[in-house]
Amino acid sequence: GNSVTQMEGPVTLSEEAFLTINCTYTATGYPSLFWYVQYPGEGLQLLLKATKADDKGSNKGFEATYRKETTSFHLEKGSVQVSDSAVYFCALSDETGNNRLAFGKGNQVVVIP
Amino acid sequence: NAGVTQTPKFQVLKTGQSMTLQCAQDMNHEYMSWYRQDPGMGLRLIHYSVGAGITDQGEVPNGYNVSRSTTEDFPLRLLSAAPSQTSVYFCASRKTGSYTFGSGTRLTVV
Repeated sequence: GNSVTQMEGPVTLSEEAFLTINCTYTATGYPSLFWYVQYPGEGLQLLLKATKADDKGSNKGFEATYRKETTSFHLEKGSVQVSDSAVYFCALSDETGNNRLAFGKGNQVVVIP
Repeated sequence: NAGVTQTPKFQVLKTGQSMTLQCAQDMNHEYMSWYRQDPGMGLRLIHYSVGAGITDQGEVPNGYNVSRSTTEDFPLRLLSAAPSQTSVYFCASRKTGSYTFGSGTRLTVV
């Protein structure tokens, strides 16, 4: 079945540092890929998405490229801010009629001033 | 404001009690789903519905029931609460493209 794997453990970094969160997936066919962000005490918000190979999703300075050859969708930001502290989830949606969304386990990102 | 509304935001139950978590959306989305979020586990799909009158099980359906009598509402029922059901529950809907999530219900079963 479909699955998403995110790198283990929280990520702690200083303000203005470069952020990378790895995400790899297993899926049949051509899924759509997403990054969701969850700020403390809130629900999930869509951060960016990509629907086909080589697409790049971007939003709020974050970017991720759909790499079919490596089955990856790594999230990057060049200069993080304290306000980027949140939990980040990689997810995929299969293209069957069920539209099921499979999530990775999430990564807590803490940005220190 | 358009979106997904979940009630209540917080709930404490005793083991064996029953309750219903409410979810409503006003975007005319056909697809609705329930997830639970547990530390280190990400979000796991409990039940989903592709339209009124149609529901199906997700990854972790045991202990939960759902129904979909209208497009707008998708309640989640706990028939006999257990401590293992302590979690944060999210409802989400989708028509095309991305999912819209509610703000969650934090449930504690003691």
